Amino acid sequence: DGGITQSPKYLFRKEGQNVTLSCEQNLNHDAMYWYRQDPGQGLRLIYYSQIVNDFQKGDIAEGYSVSREKKESFPLTVTSAQKNPTAFYLCASSIGLEQYFGPGTRLTVT
Amino acid sequence: AQSVTQLDSHVSVSEGTPVLLRCNYSSSYSPSLFWYVQHPNKGLQLLLKYTSAATLVKGINGFEAEFKKSETSFHLTKPSAHMSDAAEYFCVVIVNGGSQGNLIFGKGTKLSVKP
Repeated sequence: DGGITQSPKYLFRKEGQNVTLSCEQNLNHDAMYWYRQDPGQGLRLIYYSQIVNDFQKGDIAEGYSVSREKKESFPLTVTSAQKNPTAFYLCASSIGLEQYFGPGTRLTVT
Repeated sequence: AQSVTQLDSHVSVSEGTPVLLRCNYSSSYSPSLFWYVQHPNKGLQLLLKYTSAATLVKGINGFEAEFKKSETSFHLTKPSAHMSDAAEYFCVVIVNGGSQGNLIFGKGTKLSVKP
C-alpha cells in the first residue's frame, strides 16, 4: 500500500524547543517537499529536495532545517528561531509535475 | 511571475445545486493547472489536472474544469453538490519545464453544502 506517512498527527511543544516532524514515502519518488499551511493563506513552500543529499530553500525557510539522507525520508526540524511555528505542516512527494500529499502534522507551540 | 487567484474565499450551495469555484492564473509560460481538495485536518487530494491536452478536464467525484487561455481561467464545476463535497479547494499553477516542480497555490475556497 503506497503512500506518504507523517507522524505524529498532533504535536505539542514549549516555546524555545526544537521539534522534528517525520515524513516517509514508499512511492519511490525522487522529489519531496515541505509546506506550511495557515488559515486563509494556502500552502507555502518551506524546503524541497529533488534528490538524496540535496535540498533547496523554499519561500519561507527561515527557522527550519531539513535533511535528505534516504530517498524515503525527508524530516523537517522546526527550530526555536522560527517566530510563529504553530501551523499545519504538509509533506509531499512527486514524480513529474503531480504532487502527492501526506495527511499532515498539526504543531502547536505554547 | 506566476500567480493564481481564487476569486471567492467561501462558497455556500445547497445540496443538489451546481458548484462553481473560480480560479484565475497568471503565467508567462504554458501553465499546468491543478485542483486539489482538502477535508478538515487532512492532506490534499488531487481532483484533476490540465497539462496542455484537452481544455475540458474531468476529475474525480464528478468535478470538471475548463482551461480558458483567453480568460486565463480554470474554474472548477460540478453539476450537483453532495454533502461530502464540503471541503476546502485549492487551485494550483505550475510552470511547464520548471526544474523543481514547485506548485503555486491559491489561498483556497471553502465550500459549504447545506442540506
